[in-house]
Amino acid sequence: QKEVEQNSGPLSVPEGAIASLNCTYSDRGSQSFFWYRQYSGKSPELIMFIYSNGDKEDGRFTAQLNKASQYVSLLIRDSQPSDSATYLCAAQRYNNNDMRFGAGTRLTVKP
Amino acid sequence: GAGVSQSPSNKVTEKGKDVELRCDPISGHTALYWYRQSLGQGLEFLIYFQGNSAPDKSGLPSDRFSAERTGGSVSTLTIQRTQQEDSAVYLCASSLVGTGGEETQYFGPGTRLLVL
Repeated sequence: QKEVEQNSGPLSVPEGAIASLNCTYSDRGSQSFFWYRQYSGKSPELIMFIYSNGDKEDGRFTAQLNKASQYVSLLIRDSQPSDSATYLCAAQRYNNNDMRFGAGTRLTVKP
Repeated sequence: GAGVSQSPSNKVTEKGKDVELRCDPISGHTALYWYRQSLGQGLEFLIYFQGNSAPDKSGLPSDRFSAERTGGSVSTLTIQRTQQEDSAVYLCASSLVGTGGEETQYFGPGTRLLVL
């Protein structure tokens, strides 16, 4: 079992819809969770991080964390074609360099 | 500069040759990471540097891989006697610890290595 699991996709949503990206992790010691976006041929760029249970909103993006279920999600509201990319989930222990990345979910937003 | 920089951006080499990849982290970031990403795959951790501490080399795939960080800033990843399976994008990231203890990593543009 991989430490951070993501559905590889592709996930396809129409423009304007809500895209829901999911991630589960196996290490209960993980404290901080990150979502990165990676366009084809480009390096990952940070979208947001979360370390408290519940929701964290930033513009059209909402990260959700449920530590009891070891589940992290990213919601993208009003999806745009420019959101089409691979989304990487990562989990990190507190004050620890060991960040584990999932393999990523490929999202396609169709006009 | 404002972000992490890496050089070269692309490198084509022949099997058996040695290559050196360079990373300049964001100024003030004490931690530096190297990852490898093969086509369509996730990130594979290679090595981690934090300040003056001994590096965490647990991710290096073989003894052909080594890395150093001089003066707590610039890092060089060296691959000796390259093999075709070494072909990948090599990503460097530097990080900053936030108020919540999270360590946010910022990635460079990567070096695309092709071993013929």
